[in-house]
Amino acid sequence: QQQVKQSPQSLIVQKGGISIINCAYENTAFDYFPWYQQFPGKGPALLIAIRPDVSEKKEGRFTISFNKSAKQFSLHIMDSQPGDSATYFCAASMQSNYQLIWGAGTKLIIKP
Amino acid sequence: DTAVSQTPKYLVTQMGNDKSIKCEQNLGHDTMYWYKQDSKKFLKIMFSYNNKELIINETVPNRFSPKSPDKAHLNLHINSLELGDSAVYFCASSPSGQEETQYFGPGTRLLVL
Repeated sequence: QQQVKQSPQSLIVQKGGISIINCAYENTAFDYFPWYQQFPGKGPALLIAIRPDVSEKKEGRFTISFNKSAKQFSLHIMDSQPGDSATYFCAASMQSNYQLIWGAGTKLIIKP
Repeated sequence: DTAVSQTPKYLVTQMGNDKSIKCEQNLGHDTMYWYKQDSKKFLKIMFSYNNKELIINETVPNRFSPKSPDKAHLNLHINSLELGDSAVYFCASSPSGQEETQYFGPGTRLLVL
């Protein structure tokens, strides 16, 4: 019940296309859902995060869509660029806990 | 002006050796973490300290021992290194540990031969 399931494991998208990565969770006590971006040779860095009181959050080309009833959330990257090529992690946590529960990661490659 | 720093960046060592990885953060955060990232990029939390107190201690061999001399430092000591310990180890910190952004260091790439 503590798991966060992320898919796909890898994704190839043409430049200018939309990249979509999905995550699902079971624990309804989760109330914070961040996405992290990791470039090769670097540590993960927070990209965007959402709380369940909203269904969507947009920052530039990056959007999180959140479906509370389905217990799913997804990251959409509009107008994907080669510089977006990285590994993306979804995660979840709850207010009573210090621990982020991480998805398995998605390796995204944007082809020029 | 590095926020979370780790040393060394690379560590190549023989099986059976003991090694340490150091982590320092200058963000004034209360909480620090150690993660292990394997070759498939899976991130596994190992330990977390809040104000020098151990708060997360996942199922990790007791060959791994964290030490937090003060709030800004969290070191990881590994005894009797095994081949399976080869991975990238990340240190991270967050303001108070609750739902807040975790700031990661650049990682230490450990290779056990």
